[in-house]
Amino acid sequence: DTEVTQTPKHLVMGMTNKKSLKCEQHMGHRAMYWYKQKAKKPPELMFVYSYEKLSINESVPSRFSPECPNSSLLNLHLHALQPEDSALYLCASSQLGTGEQYFGPGTRLTVT
Amino acid sequence: AQSVTQPDIHITVSEGASLELRCNYSYGATPYLFWYVQSPGQGLQLLLKYFSGDTLVQGIKGFEAEFKRSQSSFNLRKPSVHWSDAAEYFCAALTGTASKLTFGTGTRLQVTL
Repeated sequence: DTEVTQTPKHLVMGMTNKKSLKCEQHMGHRAMYWYKQKAKKPPELMFVYSYEKLSINESVPSRFSPECPNSSLLNLHLHALQPEDSALYLCASSQLGTGEQYFGPGTRLTVT
Repeated sequence: AQSVTQPDIHITVSEGASLELRCNYSYGATPYLFWYVQSPGQGLQLLLKYFSGDTLVQGIKGFEAEFKRSQSSFNLRKPSVHWSDAAEYFCAALTGTASKLTFGTGTRLQVTL
């Protein structure tokens, strides 16, 4: 199984809502990532988890809160987002140190 | 500063023609290098990777890339493009020890029939 799954595929939320994005992989990878991608731009790294511990936070606003409940799951909790947070949110996983990241299909988030 | 550069924002080729997408990197040492492809609204798919050894690497979907240390380049090639290859292509490099990928700005490939 070389698949990373993400739910939901699409999400529309208001600025006062709380929602969560979910990501799952069963490849035994011990590194998991959240990226944000705006249209016609490359992915921007948000967070990295290594062995279920947060190892990189790229100065992401606190309205984004990641969580790694176990080695297969990665969540991104969203609260009080702004319209400029509308983007494609990608999850990825890899073996540590290889850089060979496997990406999920993404969640298209629209903040109204 | 460490960086990955893709000089071509947009390339158009005819179906059946050959393709070369350019990628240059700027690092103190040779990084791990990757090419990813992204269809509209989708995630990224790894086409191929270079870690060390043979400088010509083969990937999926008939793609190959050649690492040239003297030119700090890792260009992607395909001998005959298919209409389904139309997509965004990203070159990326692995930096440091933190499994952090640095992406180029991407090249959008359009294929004309």
